[in-house]
Amino acid sequence: DAGITQSPRHKVTETGTPVTLRCHQTENHRYMYWYRQDPGHGLRLIHYSYGVKDTDKGEVSDGYSVSRSKTEDFLLTLESATSSQTSVYFCAIRVTQNTEAFFGQGTRLTVV
Amino acid sequence: LAKTTQPISMDSYEGQEVNITCSHNNIATNDYITWYQQFPSQGPRFIIQGYKTKVTNEVASLFIPADRKSSTLSLPRVSLSDTAVYYCLVGLISSGSARQLTFGSGTQLTVLP
Repeated sequence: DAGITQSPRHKVTETGTPVTLRCHQTENHRYMYWYRQDPGHGLRLIHYSYGVKDTDKGEVSDGYSVSRSKTEDFLLTLESATSSQTSVYFCAIRVTQNTEAFFGQGTRLTVV
Repeated sequence: LAKTTQPISMDSYEGQEVNITCSHNNIATNDYITWYQQFPSQGPRFIIQGYKTKVTNEVASLFIPADRKSSTLSLPRVSLSDTAVYYCLVGLISSGSARQLTFGSGTQLTVLP
């Protein structure tokens, strides 16, 4: 398996609280991605990064922010969690924009 | 980004060959076609990637006609463990949007005994 770790794996939080999810890689890959997946839906891209401090928005970025201060870590922050952000979050990495992506095991986030 | 269209679901029986077709009418000259597989509660996993004609690996084959407006993922002799969602992606490599890795809704394949 690719060296990609998501933490935490499960989290329950209250509405209005800040939450940060971490994606850590040991592969030194340039590209990193955050997705969310809801029942009956495919994966939807939240944010992605193409290098340290280089990030951009995906299709469902509202309510989320990201940071990448070093190659190995890509953080996803929900500034004020809402129930609509209850989802499974996946992180992915890849070497270049044309190569296969490797996914983490996912983080199940529940906002109550 | 090139839009892709796949069947929402397919059923098959063990031992049969399964073909899942993806339409991508506005594919660009430099786009690659990539397929991923996702099991419940897991992240997607890369299956195969191609540009034209036919690509084969130990898991699947990918058939791409000359006009490249569609592609077909072929899974030989499926088993129950092939039950999963299969995603077709078309990636732009000639612009900044190539950095994005955008998934569609995928095809839910159910293999029956």
